[in-house]
Amino acid sequence: DVKVTQSSRYLVKRTGEKVFLECVQDMDHENMFWYRQDPGLGLRLIYFSYDVKMKEKGDIPEGYSVSREKKERFSLILESASTNQTSMYLCASSSTDIQYFGAGTRLSVL
Amino acid sequence: GQQVMQIPQYQHVQEGEDFTTYCNSSTTLSNIQWYKQRPGGHPVFLIQLVKSGEVKKQKRLTFQFGEAKKNSSLHITATQTTDVGTYFCAGEPGYGKLTFGQGTILTVHP
Repeated sequence: DVKVTQSSRYLVKRTGEKVFLECVQDMDHENMFWYRQDPGLGLRLIYFSYDVKMKEKGDIPEGYSVSREKKERFSLILESASTNQTSMYLCASSSTDIQYFGAGTRLSVL
Repeated sequence: GQQVMQIPQYQHVQEGEDFTTYCNSSTTLSNIQWYKQRPGGHPVFLIQLVKSGEVKKQKRLTFQFGEAKKNSSLHITATQTTDVGTYFCAGEPGYGKLTFGQGTILTVHP
């Protein structure tokens, strides 16, 4: 079974803090994705990566950056967290079209 | 950019009633995928449709892809309480990135 592991289920941070969300997959997938999920808006793509050290902006990259130093790990970084970044963050990986999701990190920025 | 609209946003049914959710893309899609997210869970892949006019069935679930490859539907016959959750369509225009619809939240009353 594909396993996508996100480091935290729940996270509470203060405005202005630097936040790291980690995602690890164990299936040697080339592609990894970060989404945020908000009620009524579905899943919106923040960043994605097709290979190590490679990244592409998604639909809502503002306020975020990513890092992919190893194939299995894709990190989402909030350089200076703001309250409007309070959300559910979902990581996914794929080798073909089908995406496999982690359990999600619910981030609250106070 | 590409947009995928999904309706309705919410659907309440009595157990045993049928349910349908509809998905429309602003552009022609290479394929469309459907995912289900149980309450408190993460999206899980259900099916992928690739061919124009394609119809696929999974037990009580019937998936259709429109002739123009711009719309799709998911129909559940005789809903059960285990069907509750959010159903997402996700369109893939051809370069590996998925655009998700807003999702339809299905509630089934016993």
